[in-house]
Amino acid sequence: AQKVTQAQTEISVVEKEDVTLDCVYETRDTTYYLFWYKQPPSGELVFLIRRNSFDEQNEISGRYSWNFQKSTSSFNFTITASQVVDSAVYFCALSDTGGFKTIFGAGTRLFVKA
Amino acid sequence: DVKVTQSSRYLVKRTGEKVFLECVQDMDHENMFWYRQDPGLGLRLIYFSYDVKMKEKGDIPEGYSVSREKKERFSLILESASTNQTSMYLCASSRPLAGGTLGELFFGEGSRLTVL
Repeated sequence: AQKVTQAQTEISVVEKEDVTLDCVYETRDTTYYLFWYKQPPSGELVFLIRRNSFDEQNEISGRYSWNFQKSTSSFNFTITASQVVDSAVYFCALSDTGGFKTIFGAGTRLFVKA
Repeated sequence: DVKVTQSSRYLVKRTGEKVFLECVQDMDHENMFWYRQDPGLGLRLIYFSYDVKMKEKGDIPEGYSVSREKKERFSLILESASTNQTSMYLCASSRPLAGGTLGELFFGEGSRLTVL
């Protein structure tokens, strides 16, 4: 069965600190997709990144970076120089190639204090 | 601006009432989904639809039904609301991208349902 584990329930940091959100997944599929979504206080989940299982290249987008390691079944998300606007709940998700049954982790709530 | 719109942000219903949650998307997406979000459990899939009049059960369909009469509209129905259905309900849509890449989910703002 597919499973996504986000062991960190809440993280609190001070502005400008770096923070890493962990995501560990389980799947028997050889082809799959991983996602990160952000849910700000307003409630609407917003897509951040997609990675397919054949692409283990790390990605950087501004202050955000993602580290995908198939060997450890992890897809971790790092925010560099965090800002108050980064305060949100972040979800890691796993999907098969059909995309009809995306499995979400429990989410990590990030508090960034000024 | 592309959007997924959920008809009600907040609802309060009584046990046993029939509840309709409406969702409309303006992106011409084939796929639509209903999730519920509960603290510590993340998002769990209730039902999805990949075409008009087509529907498939997700992981927790018990107590729910859905309707998709038009491509842009996907409704979630609670035939007889119960207190354990108090939750945040999220509608989402998606479509495949070029080259078979899996498209991301676009979410509505959510409908917070309280069943008394």
